[in-house]
Amino acid sequence: DTAVSQTPKYLVTQMGNDKSIKCEQNLGHDTMYWYKQDSKKFLKIMFSYNNKELIINETVPNRFSPKSPDKAHLNLHINSLELGDSAVYFCASNEGGGGNSPLHFGNGTRLTVT
Amino acid sequence: AQTVTQSQPEMSVQEAETVTLSCTYDTSENNYYLFWYKQPPSRQMILVIRQEAYKQQNATENRFSVNFQKAAKSFSLKISDSQLGDTAMYFCAPNSGYALNFGKGTSLLVTP
Repeated sequence: DTAVSQTPKYLVTQMGNDKSIKCEQNLGHDTMYWYKQDSKKFLKIMFSYNNKELIINETVPNRFSPKSPDKAHLNLHINSLELGDSAVYFCASNEGGGGNSPLHFGNGTRLTVT
Repeated sequence: AQTVTQSQPEMSVQEAETVTLSCTYDTSENNYYLFWYKQPPSRQMILVIRQEAYKQQNATENRFSVNFQKAAKSFSLKISDSQLGDTAMYFCAPNSGYALNFGKGTSLLVTP
C-alpha cells in the first residue's frame, strides 16, 4: 500500500537515553516533515526536508537531529531524552512547494520518557 | 509566519444535526491554500477538505463544506448530518510555501 509509515508506534524509554524514530514514504513526494503533538494536542512543526535538503528548522533543541538519507526517508534521532520530550511525533510528506499539496501523515509515534 | 485561531476548544452536537467549527488566520500571503484535518481517537491525521484562496467558490466534500471569507481571513467548517464517526479533533491549517501551521484544534463530540 502507498503510505507514510513510521516506526516504532510506541516508544518508552528512560531519561538520558538516545532513541531514533524512522519514517518512510512511498508516495514519491519531495518533501517530508516532523511534527510534534503535545499533551494538549497542539501540533507544531519541527523540521522539513525537500529532496534531502533541510528547509525548515524550527526552534528545536539540538538534541533533536533529523537525517534524510534519500527523499523517501526522514529519520529523527533524539539524544539525552528529557521528560518534556514525551509527546506524539508525526512524520508527514507532500509534494512540497506552492502550498497546494496536502500533507500525508504517518500514524504517529508515542514517545514516553520516564 | 501565519497564526491560526480556533476559538472553540470543545463542541458537542447531536447525531444528524449540523455543526460549524470556526477558524481565523493571519497571513501576508495572497495566494495560499487552507485545509481542515480531523484526528479521531485512533490518532490518525485525516484530510477532510481543501480550499484554494484564489477561488471564491466554497469547497464541498460530501457532508463537509467550508465558508471561506478571504477578506475576513475566516475559514469555517460545516458538518451536516453529523455522524458518531465524526467525533474527533479538528484542525484548521493554512499553507503557503512548505509548511502547514495548525490551529490548536476543536474537539468535537457527536452524541446519539
